[in-house]
Amino acid sequence: GAGVSQSPSNKVTEKGKDVELRCDPISGHTALYWYRQSLGQGLEFLIYFQGNSAPDKSGLPSDRFSAERTGGSVSTLTIQRTQQEDSAVYLCASSLAGGADGELFFGEGSRLTVL
Amino acid sequence: GENVEQHPSTLSVQEGDSAVIKCTYSDSASNYFPWYKQELGKRPQLIIDIRSNVGEKKDQRIAVTLNKTAKHFSLHITETQPEDSAVYFCAENTGFQKLVFGTGTRLLVSP
Repeated sequence: GAGVSQSPSNKVTEKGKDVELRCDPISGHTALYWYRQSLGQGLEFLIYFQGNSAPDKSGLPSDRFSAERTGGSVSTLTIQRTQQEDSAVYLCASSLAGGADGELFFGEGSRLTVL
Repeated sequence: GENVEQHPSTLSVQEGDSAVIKCTYSDSASNYFPWYKQELGKRPQLIIDIRSNVGEKKDQRIAVTLNKTAKHFSLHITETQPEDSAVYFCAENTGFQKLVFGTGTRLLVSP
């Protein structure tokens, strides 16, 4: 596709359930980022990938959060045993090269609501 | 450390006025400072960026200035228009090659 694609666009789940969010970056983009945006708040860094490797996982809020990237392309963000404070929009972005010194192209986001 | 302070959190101006948003960073290794605009319900999009080897960059009505000594950079929008209304985020790339964003400034331009 022409842009970064994320799915699902909306997810409503019950507290304690696991959820999986998917990001399909722009073809050829080696760097991939996950951010979290709570209502009316800023962009909180979660994790980034260079290829399939994640050099920096420091932003993951807890061990309930994990992410992987396969084939240097699609990435999934998994949240286990969801809590109400996990409710937010999860944004994925990709960039042509690593180093965070080029434009990040964001997806539309996955809005997660934990009841 | 990795922390970008952004001020103000909200800014209201009249159409035609100028708007200035300021950010302060802490990582002296940072060398790339972009600004993103997020319209209501939309994804953030890059509007302008500056690298550490220059002090100012302009693109039509927007400009960014960088003071590496003081570790702060600013976004300047002149002749504001209602369509400039959005949330603006500054960012820095930290030494670990990730992009850390400020907390955002909600700009409202009134006709």
